[in-house]
Amino acid sequence: AQTVTQSQPEMSVQEAETVTLSCTYDTSESDYYLFWYKQPPSRQMILVIRQEAYKQQNATENRFSVNFQKAAKSFSLKISDSQLGDAAMYFCAYTGSARQLTFGSGTQLTVLP
Amino acid sequence: GAGVSQSPSNKVTEKGKDVELRCDPISGHTALYWYRQSLGQGLEFLIYFQGNSAPDKSGLPSDRFSAERTGGSVSTLTIQRTQQEDSAVYLCASSPGIMNTEAFFGQGTRLTVV
Repeated sequence: AQTVTQSQPEMSVQEAETVTLSCTYDTSESDYYLFWYKQPPSRQMILVIRQEAYKQQNATENRFSVNFQKAAKSFSLKISDSQLGDAAMYFCAYTGSARQLTFGSGTQLTVLP
Repeated sequence: GAGVSQSPSNKVTEKGKDVELRCDPISGHTALYWYRQSLGQGLEFLIYFQGNSAPDKSGLPSDRFSAERTGGSVSTLTIQRTQQEDSAVYLCASSPGIMNTEAFFGQGTRLTVV
């Protein structure tokens, strides 16, 4: 079974600074997708960014980018120019051939003004 | 509606009572998930429906929990003889069932057992 590990329960960043959230996963599959979701206090889960395992190029979405290291099974999220609205719980997720989403335990991000 | 709809948004029930939580997925989505989230915690997988396949019930914590999905659309999560430890937010998500597509989440049902 696939597992997703987020080793940082809490992180904080100063507004306008950069922060990196860590995620590792374990799988024997070669074809899969990885996601970062954001959950603000409203509880609404929002997709931040996705990465296809067969693509070597790291995905980027505006201020959000990933560092995907397939051999190391690592998938970290970098948030640049952090804004107060980035404060949320961030979840890393994996989906493979079973098409079932497996989530990590989450990282609570605080943005300090 | 355009998104995943869950009802009720909040439910307070007495210990020992049964509750039903409803999820209306996005039309045409073949995959449907139920998760449980305790306060400030991660997502605990409960059950996964994919098309006409047998659901993956491996996450259901006890036989007091059950779920069904009628006609490949609406899903109901039932908790029998509720306990205080069942208090949590129950999140539903749906997706087109294709590997590279995101899951869309509802706003969740906050269940409080008193």
